[in-house]
Amino acid sequence: AQSVSQHNHHVILSEAASLELGCNYSYGGTVNLFWYVQYPGQHLQLLLKYFSGDPLVKGIKGFEAEFIKSKFSFNLRKPSVQWSDTAEYFCAVNEPHDYKLSFGAGTTVTVRA
Amino acid sequence: NAGVTQTPKFQVLKTGQSMTLQCAQDMNHEYMSWYRQDPGMGLRLIHYSVGAGITDQGEVPNGYNVSRSTTEDFPLRLLSAAPSQTSVYFCASSTPGQSSYEQYFGPGTRLTVT
Repeated sequence: AQSVSQHNHHVILSEAASLELGCNYSYGGTVNLFWYVQYPGQHLQLLLKYFSGDPLVKGIKGFEAEFIKSKFSFNLRKPSVQWSDTAEYFCAVNEPHDYKLSFGAGTTVTVRA
Repeated sequence: NAGVTQTPKFQVLKTGQSMTLQCAQDMNHEYMSWYRQDPGMGLRLIHYSVGAGITDQGEVPNGYNVSRSTTEDFPLRLLSAAPSQTSVYFCASSTPGQSSYEQYFGPGTRLTVT
């Protein structure tokens, strides 16, 4: 199984601040990369995904992520957060043609109004 | 189109009891899986299935059984519940028609074992 590291356990921000969450994975070959979000009391939803092409991926709700192959990283960014972005964020990885996802431990983001 | 559904939403069990967590999907997805979510550990794969009649173990299979008799349903059975199985359980489905094998998650079952 892949190893996925999320560097921040809990991030606290004020509204309008910029957000960047780190994600690194262990596998040296081709991978698919995902960011999922879990709002309080809800199930996981896909924010964005990368599997080929432009390494800068744009997702829903103003989020984007950049795949840097040389650093085995897939960091998530949002230029200006809102209170409604309070949630837990998970980075996940799988190998092509493999359904099994490996998840990071998650980062809890709290946005203060 | 309901997507992935799970029942029950909440369950409390006593140590040693058995129960089945239900999962169903109406998207005709071939792949289904069960994860457990624990604080600070993300989601860990328990069991998965690549089609009816085919199941395999994930990262943390001990204490759980699965079967896949139909494409739609993938129940998870706890044989003899233990406090270490207190967790939130998510079912997910996917299909090779999605180029990156994006998985769709159900709403989860919060299980407490006392």
